[in-house]
Amino acid sequence: KNEVEQSPQNLTAQEGEFITINCSYSVGISALHWLQQHPGGGIVSLFMLSSGKKKHGRLIATINIQEKHSSLHITASHPRDSAVYICAVRRGNQFYFGTGTSLTVIP
Amino acid sequence: KAGVTQTPRYLIKTRGQQVTLSCSPISGHRSVSWYQQTPGQGLQFLFEYFSETQRNKGNFPGRFSGRQFSNSRSEMNVSTLELGDSALYLCASSYRSGDPGNTIYFGEGSWLTVV
Repeated sequence: KNEVEQSPQNLTAQEGEFITINCSYSVGISALHWLQQHPGGGIVSLFMLSSGKKKHGRLIATINIQEKHSSLHITASHPRDSAVYICAVRRGNQFYFGTGTSLTVIP
Repeated sequence: KAGVTQTPRYLIKTRGQQVTLSCSPISGHRSVSWYQQTPGQGLQFLFEYFSETQRNKGNFPGRFSGRQFSNSRSEMNVSTLELGDSALYLCASSYRSGDPGNTIYFGEGSWLTVV
């Protein structure tokens, strides 16, 4: 059983749509990260959360520690948001990763 | 400030050979961690180094090893390569180890193909 589950696996949206990606985890964590990976491999850390909610531009990330659940929202989606979004939880010095959500935003 | 630099970016090796990958962290960062990404298994944690000491290791065989130098640069080595070692190997750096408040920065990765 994977410690981190993401849904959906694949997501196609029209430009401008509101997008939600979900992450559930089963281990106690010290932090949760949302990562973005574009074709070619490079990964960018979007958010690090240990509680509550964070916002950066059109991106919003929330975490509910009691329910062991986090969501990443993208408002007014744009084709440049097309990427794989990966949820990662940190437990001590170890990271556990979700399998990723492949997002395609169509103009 | 320069980002995390990984070399080489692409390489092809033959089964049974060994490979060494290099990672230069962001200046001032002392923690370097390594990850393997494959289509089947996704991202998996390999190991983390802080101040030249291995702090933690993922569930990989002993063929996978690493080290960190006094300037915080890190290398990872895979010996006796197998076809299944074909993957993207990512390095990430952060200022401190194990601190959830630290932002981690990833390199572009090294694409290894084993034939």
